[in-house]
Amino acid sequence: EVQLLESGGDSVQPGGSLRLSCEASTFTFSRNAMSWVRQAPGKGLEWVSGISGSGTGRYYADSVKGRFIISRDNSKNTLYLQMNSLRAEDTAVYYCAKASCGDTCFYGLGVWGQGTTVTVSS
Amino acid sequence: DILMTQSPLSLPVTPGEPASISCRSSQSLLHSNGYKYVDWYLQKPGQSPQLLIYAGSYRASGVPDRFSGSGSGTDFTLKISRVEAEDVGVYYCMQGLQTPLTFGGGTKVEIK
Repeated sequence: EVQLLESGGDSVQPGGSLRLSCEASTFTFSRNAMSWVRQAPGKGLEWVSGISGSGTGRYYADSVKGRFIISRDNSKNTLYLQMNSLRAEDTAVYYCAKASCGDTCFYGLGVWGQGTTVTVSS
Repeated sequence: DILMTQSPLSLPVTPGEPASISCRSSQSLLHSNGYKYVDWYLQKPGQSPQLLIYAGSYRASGVPDRFSGSGSGTDFTLKISRVEAEDVGVYYCMQGLQTPLTFGGGTKVEIK
């Protein structure tokens, strides 16, 4: 069974940084694009960032562009999200998700992690 | 960015009865390859979202056949032929045609 396990969520002050990780098991990691999706408390889903299977294509929501950096290490089956200049509005549960359509497309998020919580507060 | 608008916001349902959720996109999600790049997800209470339908009408692995997706370029529908108690939660549509991917606001399905 394919699994994704996020880690790295924490409580941080505004302006601080965090790095989230998402470790994948039991599939050829490099064959699939990956995304980060977040959910603020009591709110809906918001796509944050996506990366192609090779890592060469990186895409961001306007709300995080210039502050967040997505990356992946295919040798370690791990996806990352470096979050800088954090704001209160970044407070959310962050999910990583695997696209089922291949390495350069992002739809069909067929596998999701359990989520990791980021709280930005003074 | 492509705007995804779902309706209704809330949907009380009776077990055994059909249910339907609508999603409208601000631009066509029909690709030149013939696929409609809209997915449907269900987030059950306290759980991560799960994929129900991808590319407009294809059921994800393990999804019961009471769930079906249909639609044109900008108007899409998720139908549940006979609602079961386990179907409660929030349903989201999502466009996967272009980044940034965008979700609808969600439809909360609850048992009457």
